[in-house]
Amino acid sequence: EVQLVESGGGVVRPGGSLRLSCAASGFTFDDYGMSWVRQVPGKGLEWVSNIDWNGGSTGYADSVKGRFTISRDNVKKTLYLQMNSLRVEDTALYYCAKDYYYGSGAYGAWGQGTLIIVSS
Amino acid sequence: EIVLTQSPGTLSLSPGERATLSCRASQSITANYFAWYQQKPGQAPRLLIYGASSRAVGIPDRFSGSGSGTDFTLIISRLEPEDFAVYYCQQYSSSPWTFGHGTKVEIK
Repeated sequence: EVQLVESGGGVVRPGGSLRLSCAASGFTFDDYGMSWVRQVPGKGLEWVSNIDWNGGSTGYADSVKGRFTISRDNVKKTLYLQMNSLRVEDTALYYCAKDYYYGSGAYGAWGQGTLIIVSS
Repeated sequence: EIVLTQSPGTLSLSPGERATLSCRASQSITANYFAWYQQKPGQAPRLLIYGASSRAVGIPDRFSGSGSGTDFTLIISRLEPEDFAVYYCQQYSSSPWTFGHGTKVEIK
């Protein structure tokens, strides 16, 4: 069974930093691209960032470019999101998501999310 | 950035009825890199349809997707009680990937 378990969320002041982790199991991690998608509670979904199977290619939403960095450790089967210079508008539930198939941008598995609250 | 506009915002229907959800893109989506998701309260989204018309593994055949270019449709042929939820469309044709704002299918 595919499992994605996010961690690292919490409350942080504006301008602060957090690192999110997503531990993967139940599939061959380095066969798939991975992404982070966020959702303000009660609102819609926003794609944040993606990374290909070996970390050679990454993408970012304009809203986080230059502040967030996605990475992965295929030995540890873990996806990361380093979040710097956090803003109030970054407050959201952050999901990690697995490509449905290699190279797909559709997400066949999601974690349960980790909540980030940016507040002074 | 490709903007996805979903309609209607809310669909009020009874179990057994047919639901038709629409999603229009601001630019043509190449190679049908288009998906539909279902999200229930307190849960992560679930992939229903990818490639505009292919059902994901385990998705009942009452869900069907169609469309190309800028206009896409999700049809739920006969609503079951568990189908009342919010549905999102997504394009993964052009970065940044984008989602629609969702259509809520509620019990009438």
